[in-house]
Amino acid sequence: EAEVAQSPRYKITEKSQAVAFWCDPISGHATLYWYRQILGQGPELLVQFQDESVVDDSQLPKDRFSAERLKGVDSTLKIQPAELGDSAMYLCASSFAAPDTQYFGPGTRLTVL
Amino acid sequence: RKEVEQDPGPFNVPEGATVAFNCTYSNSASQSFFWYRQDCRKEPKLLMSVYSSGNEDGRFTAQLNRASQYISLLIRDSKLSDSATYLCVVGWTGGGADGLTFGKGTHLIIQP
Repeated sequence: EAEVAQSPRYKITEKSQAVAFWCDPISGHATLYWYRQILGQGPELLVQFQDESVVDDSQLPKDRFSAERLKGVDSTLKIQPAELGDSAMYLCASSFAAPDTQYFGPGTRLTVL
Repeated sequence: RKEVEQDPGPFNVPEGATVAFNCTYSNSASQSFFWYRQDCRKEPKLLMSVYSSGNEDGRFTAQLNRASQYISLLIRDSKLSDSATYLCVVGWTGGGADGLTFGKGTHLIIQP
């Protein structure tokens, strides 16, 4: 069964450092999402791509977060500089089209010290 | 703002019992509805889509009430393995950004 891949699974960093997360969606899925999930909360959308284009990044803190999907396949989410409040699970999801069923990767658990 | 509201629980239910929880949504233009299950520190996984006529998958039944803007999930003969957080998810199209909005989840604990 096809899966969404994410790496790393865990990341510990100090505040003010830069971190990057990678996501490879299910083959053929045009829509890719990055979510942030704080413990006890539901996932909150950070950015949505349709192929290589950003469709929605209204909730992305653009002063420190950036995301790209240059070839419309895999994607990278970057935080620079990381802050203590960025500690969370970062989930990547993909779907054939929006708003179809989304399939999630295992996530990257970020801890900022 | 598109909102999805759920009772966070926890719902403590004895094994074998039936449990139901609802979810309300604010966007009347919503077009797709799902229940996702999330185990502790794992990613959300699709439990079932919710169709207008209601649908059943084994012990799980989902229903949609468009007039009152809520969806429900019923679990019969609950198992210990049903313990998880259940996320209500609502989707819409239009406005430049099509996507899904997740509720904060309902925490279910099945007790032996």
